[in-house]
Amino acid sequence: LAKTTQPISMDSYEGQEVNITCSHNNIATNDYITWYQQFPSQGPRFIIQGYKTKVTNEVASLFIPADRKSSTLSLPRVSLSDTAVYYCLVGDDQTGGYQKVTFGTGTKLQVIP
Amino acid sequence: DAGITQSPRYKITETGRQVTLMCHQTWSHSYMFWYRQDLGHGLRLIYYSAAADITDKGEVPDGYVVSRSKTENFPLTLESATRSQTSVYFCASTEAANYGYTFGSGTRLTVV
Repeated sequence: LAKTTQPISMDSYEGQEVNITCSHNNIATNDYITWYQQFPSQGPRFIIQGYKTKVTNEVASLFIPADRKSSTLSLPRVSLSDTAVYYCLVGDDQTGGYQKVTFGTGTKLQVIP
Repeated sequence: DAGITQSPRYKITETGRQVTLMCHQTWSHSYMFWYRQDLGHGLRLIYYSAAADITDKGEVPDGYVVSRSKTENFPLTLESATRSQTSVYFCASTEAANYGYTFGSGTRLTVV
């Protein structure tokens, strides 16, 4: 299973763009990259998923370089409500590895007024 | 209502007692998961299920039992609760293994 490494915490001011990078040097050919957001006392919430290049939805963008050994979650113009923990996961369904992936400790983003 | 529901929301039990945490989803998702979340450990996978009657161990399965007789239900049983099992437990489901998971609201379990 590909292991992921993320910064433990980040601070950002309201209105700024936030980029959270995740390292996954051992990512396998079939692995997807998925990001989740978790607020206190709630279950994680799916944000975005990608395989390569760039993916964008109404919430965030995900940038994946050609070697796929890292990925960057980009949150445009953050607000106080974006204060949460963000998890990066890597896995696939071909070998059963994705079902056993663990979330790790994530990146705690604090948005400052 | 459509969604994934966990019950109870909060539970206090004594050491040595058996306790079952319930998880129900209305989408007929094939995959279901149980995670526990402790400070400093993030979420750790306890058990998962790829379909009814198919379950497998995750990272921290000791002391837990699961069953999946129906697609929509995935109960987690602590056979003899210990204080180390005090945690927040999350159930999740997904249509396919490489899709995003949908999580329940969690069960906060305290073992005294």
